[in-house]
Amino acid sequence: EDKVVQSPLSLVVHEGDTVTLNCSYEVTNFRSLLWYKQEKKAPTFLFMLTSSGIEKKSGRLSSILDKKELFSILNITATQTGDSAIYLCAVLGSNTGKLIFGQGTTLQVKP
Amino acid sequence: DAGVTQSPTHLIKTRGQHVTLRCSPISGHKSVSWYQQVLGQGPQFIFQYYEKEERGRGNFPDRFSARQFPNYSSELNVNALLLGDSALYLCASSSGAGGALDTQYFGPGTRLTVL
Repeated sequence: EDKVVQSPLSLVVHEGDTVTLNCSYEVTNFRSLLWYKQEKKAPTFLFMLTSSGIEKKSGRLSSILDKKELFSILNITATQTGDSAIYLCAVLGSNTGKLIFGQGTTLQVKP
Repeated sequence: DAGVTQSPTHLIKTRGQHVTLRCSPISGHKSVSWYQQVLGQGPQFIFQYYEKEERGRGNFPDRFSARQFPNYSSELNVNALLLGDSALYLCASSSGAGGALDTQYFGPGTRLTVL
């Protein structure tokens, strides 16, 4: 059965800290891995990764994929209170548009 | 540009009733997918529609059904509601049928509470 596992499930840090969120997957016919940030309701798109070893970067956020070891990490440097959210990892597998999500990592950044 | 819109925002129903949730995709997007997110978990795939055809169905009972209209908007219907159907229902739109580079963009969701 396809599955996506995120760790840790929750994390509390202080402003300025750097955090690393993990996502491992076992998905048949892997096509892409996506990261989303969910603050209140709508998950907002952060990154899509399809190739191993190519870092995607946006401001203080970056992500990389390892298709051999079947995992991805999301890094956030110099965290701010506005980074507090649930971070969701999802994998697109089969030939439909079905995204398989992990449980999410809840990040709390304290001032 | 307007993003994905969903209505209603919140809904309270009682067991046994049915509900219809609505979604309008981003302009130009032809695919709509529905997800159920129970508190504390990641979203679970329910359906995908592309060009008005069902392209994928998740592990949900037949009480759940959906359709897509010629303008690419979509409805999710749930019959004979159970307490366990209480969740945030998310709609996502994408331009294509689910290719590797097809990013799904989510709407704000409908919070359904079943009493």
